[in-house]
Amino acid sequence: AAGVIQSPRHLIKEKRETATLKCYPIPRHDTVYWYQQGPGQDPQFLISFYEKMQSDKGSIPDRFSAQQFSDYHSELNMSSLELGDSALYFCASSLTSSADTQYFGPGTRLTVL
Amino acid sequence: AQKITQTQPGMFVQEKEAVTLDCTYDTSDPSYGLFWYKQPSSGEMIFLIYQGSYDQQNATEGRYSLNFQKARKSANLVISASQLGDSAMYFCAMRGPSGSARQLTFGSGTQLTVLP
Repeated sequence: AAGVIQSPRHLIKEKRETATLKCYPIPRHDTVYWYQQGPGQDPQFLISFYEKMQSDKGSIPDRFSAQQFSDYHSELNMSSLELGDSALYFCASSLTSSADTQYFGPGTRLTVL
Repeated sequence: AQKITQTQPGMFVQEKEAVTLDCTYDTSDPSYGLFWYKQPSSGEMIFLIYQGSYDQQNATEGRYSLNFQKARKSANLVISASQLGDSAMYFCAMRGPSGSARQLTFGSGTQLTVLP
């Protein structure tokens, strides 16, 4: 079965640079979520999209923005990168249902030097 | 606000034995979902099992079962016949009620080590 695809898998950036992370949800899933997992921490919700519209916002810094495109893929744009942005960034997708199970992609490991 | 508590930072189990990972939750919503995810050292987040707040039966998926005690607000994961490949971090997570925020709130995780 098709899974969530994220690219790139690894990314190294310098402080103050920008980064763009991409996510391709499971086909026919209508909701995309972004999570940030710092070293040794649990994942923290950043932002979600339902049918290409932003549906909820968590602890996402103002330096970050995200959008979902007409083909349902999503991008997380991160500007003015800081050392503390180094983390594993997950995209997850779900199909609206009673369970709404979220299936996670493999993650993008961002390292800011 | 929703909160998930996992009080076992680390657990050890002998191969082929059963192990229970604890999870308690706090919410004022009558409708919610509880999930368990496995995160191996490679980093991916793997869905294991789901329990809805209105489900009458405890969820089971192969060697995984969820011991759901609604009155105690607990949703413990039971892994039967542990295998070496079960060594990983396990996260309990909660999803909010239908029609509102659907994002997951995670616990701090339990690092399970299966001993040969």
